[in-house]
Amino acid sequence: QQQVKQSPQSLIVQKGGIPIINCAYENTAFDYFPWYQQFPGKGPALLIAIRPDVSEKKEGRFTISFNKSAKQFSLHIMDSQPGDSATYFCAASILGGNKLVFGAGTILRVKS
Amino acid sequence: GAGVSQSPSNKVTEKGKDVELRCDPISGHTALYWYRQSLGQGLEFLIYFQGNSAPDKSGLPSDRFSAERTGGSVSTLTIQRTQQEDSAVYLCASSLGPSRNTEAFFGQGTRLTVV
Repeated sequence: QQQVKQSPQSLIVQKGGIPIINCAYENTAFDYFPWYQQFPGKGPALLIAIRPDVSEKKEGRFTISFNKSAKQFSLHIMDSQPGDSATYFCAASILGGNKLVFGAGTILRVKS
Repeated sequence: GAGVSQSPSNKVTEKGKDVELRCDPISGHTALYWYRQSLGQGLEFLIYFQGNSAPDKSGLPSDRFSAERTGGSVSTLTIQRTQQEDSAVYLCASSLGPSRNTEAFFGQGTRLTVV
C-alpha cells in the first residue's frame, strides 16, 4: 500500500525528444505527487508537483499527467536537453504529515 | 544557512566502527527524514521525525541503526558496528510538516564508505 512503482529504470533520448517516466501507486489516500530531480553529487530537488484534483500540470518544459482512476502519474519533458540528464524520482504522500514515499528512480540521459 | 546542511560530506570508516552522521534542517521545519541511497539506486526510507511525535522508524534496516533529533532541530543518525553493506550516501531532508506544502528539501548527503 505504501509503494510507488516507477519505470523505466533508465532512459536514453536524443536532444529534442520527449522522455516519459511513469509511476503507479496503490494507496488511494495519497493526495500529493511530487517529482524530484537529482544531479550527480547533489541531493534531490523538487521539480514539479501535482494534486489529484487536476489531470495535468505544466511548468516550463516539464508536464505531469495524472490519472486518478488508474492510480498512475507520469512526467514528460518537452524538447529535452543534455542538461536535463539526471535521475528523476516520483513520490507520493498524504497531506497532513505523512512521509514522502519515493519511487526507485529513473536515470535519464539526453544525447546531444 | 538557508538549506539543509549535512556533515561530514564524506566519511571513510573501518568495518566494525561506529559512525555518526549529522543533519541540520531548515529553520522552522518540523519534519525531518533520513534516506539511504546506494550507488545508482533509489531512495530507501530510514526514519521520519515529525515535531514531538514518536518517530517512524519503520525503515531502519537493523538495530545497528538509530537516530535522534534533539530539541526538534538537529538530527544524528548513528550506525554501530558498521558493515560494508552500509556503504551508501545518507540523505537528510526537512519539510514544513503537516501543512499544505510537504515539499522536502534535501541536503547534499554524507557519502559513507566502510572498508
